[in-house]
Amino acid sequence: GESVGLHLPTLSVQEGDNSIINCAYSNSASDYFIWYKQESGKGPQFIIDIRSNMDKRQGQRVTVLLNKTVKHLSLQIAATQPGDSAVYFCAERSLAGGTSYGKLTFGQGTILTVHP
Amino acid sequence: NAGVMQNPRHLVRRRGQEARLRCSPMKGHSHVYWYRQLPEEGLKFMVYLQKENIIDESGMPKERFSAEFPKEGPSILRIQQVVRGDSAAYFCASSPFPETQYFGPGTRLLVL
Repeated sequence: GESVGLHLPTLSVQEGDNSIINCAYSNSASDYFIWYKQESGKGPQFIIDIRSNMDKRQGQRVTVLLNKTVKHLSLQIAATQPGDSAVYFCAERSLAGGTSYGKLTFGQGTILTVHP
Repeated sequence: NAGVMQNPRHLVRRRGQEARLRCSPMKGHSHVYWYRQLPEEGLKFMVYLQKENIIDESGMPKERFSAEFPKEGPSILRIQQVVRGDSAAYFCASSPFPETQYFGPGTRLLVL
């Protein structure tokens, strides 16, 4: 079936380095993508989103890149800080069956560990 | 503006009991989604509701599980006759329109 998956389950970086978290998706009908950060014992926290008519979007210290040709999504975190340590999930939305909404399909997650 | 609220945060039930999980969406949000998360896994969609209507329940088991979002009050996810396999974190998300979803802190259900 359709799925969203991540290339790297864990990522360890030094404080101050840049981090790149990758995500592959398989549903070409997906039109909207979101990155969430989840800290231990908490709910997912919205980081940044991007629509399929864009290939790049920047936020504060974060950039999301979308490559529709190879169905690949990445999250770049600049100057990674210890507080960025968490599990990061990508999620895709597919408009299903003509409905005007889309449920989110989540990947398994990447554990980011930032060492001081 | 308070975020999405869920209660209880932790719930312990014995096999065969009922579990009721509550979700109060953010103010002005009329779309509510429920997800289940097993340890070290991503979130799995269960059900999507708008006020008084179930829009999509394709991710929810046909038996023992039900959800509602009444005109007044929180959304309720109800699990009857719980089994150990129901142990998980249950997250609710809300949105003002069917797009970016904002999540609550979750309810951790433990079935003994």
